[in-house]
Amino acid sequence: EAGVVQSPRYKIIEKKQPVAFWCNPISGHNTLYWYRQNLGQGPELLIRYENEEAVDDSQLPKDRFSAERLKGVDSTLKIQPAELGDSAVYLCASSSSIYGYTFGSGTRLTVV
Amino acid sequence: TQLLEQSPQFLSIQEGENLTVYCNSSSVFSSLQWYRQEPGEGPVLLVTVVTGGEVKKLKRLTFQFGDARKDSSLHITAAQPGDTGLYLCAGGMGNFNKFYFGSGTKLNVKP
Repeated sequence: EAGVVQSPRYKIIEKKQPVAFWCNPISGHNTLYWYRQNLGQGPELLIRYENEEAVDDSQLPKDRFSAERLKGVDSTLKIQPAELGDSAVYLCASSSSIYGYTFGSGTRLTVV
Repeated sequence: TQLLEQSPQFLSIQEGENLTVYCNSSSVFSSLQWYRQEPGEGPVLLVTVVTGGEVKKLKRLTFQFGDARKDSSLHITAAQPGDTGLYLCAGGMGNFNKFYFGSGTKLNVKP
């Protein structure tokens, strides 16, 4: 069974440009998360979905970040416009329970 | 401010040595997870513990959840180079599948 699939793996953009990340979770996992991981730090939650509903987006910078999860499966995370401080690894994870948390390989974003 | 403090931040040891890494908080968690993350990859879940005082073993790895559910430890026996990586703990609160991560312990096991 395929794990959590993320694309692209790497993205380099100039500041003020838009960028989007895509995530395909494990089949049957109703809960989907987007995390941001800065260098030398643990992941920080940006948004959590239960099916297609965003149930926790308190950490999402809503002025420039947006996310959607259509039909409760795939999800996209968008940044517009990107800032230098947005450089980080963006991780998607899905779970069916606290025992079944699976992360994707992440998208490494560099804003120049 | 990190909800979970991990120590040490860095650890470099020789193959065959034993080690323990710690995860501490002043907050009570309903569950606690340990992950290992390799460069360029996402974290991989090693274990989830939910009961105060619980001990789980995974081959050479032993995980313990503190009695008060505020802290945890990971002990590795006879470390191998394949154990090299970033070890992250994550504390879960409530029934909402919300986990808070520590900053991790970067382990290097030299052959």
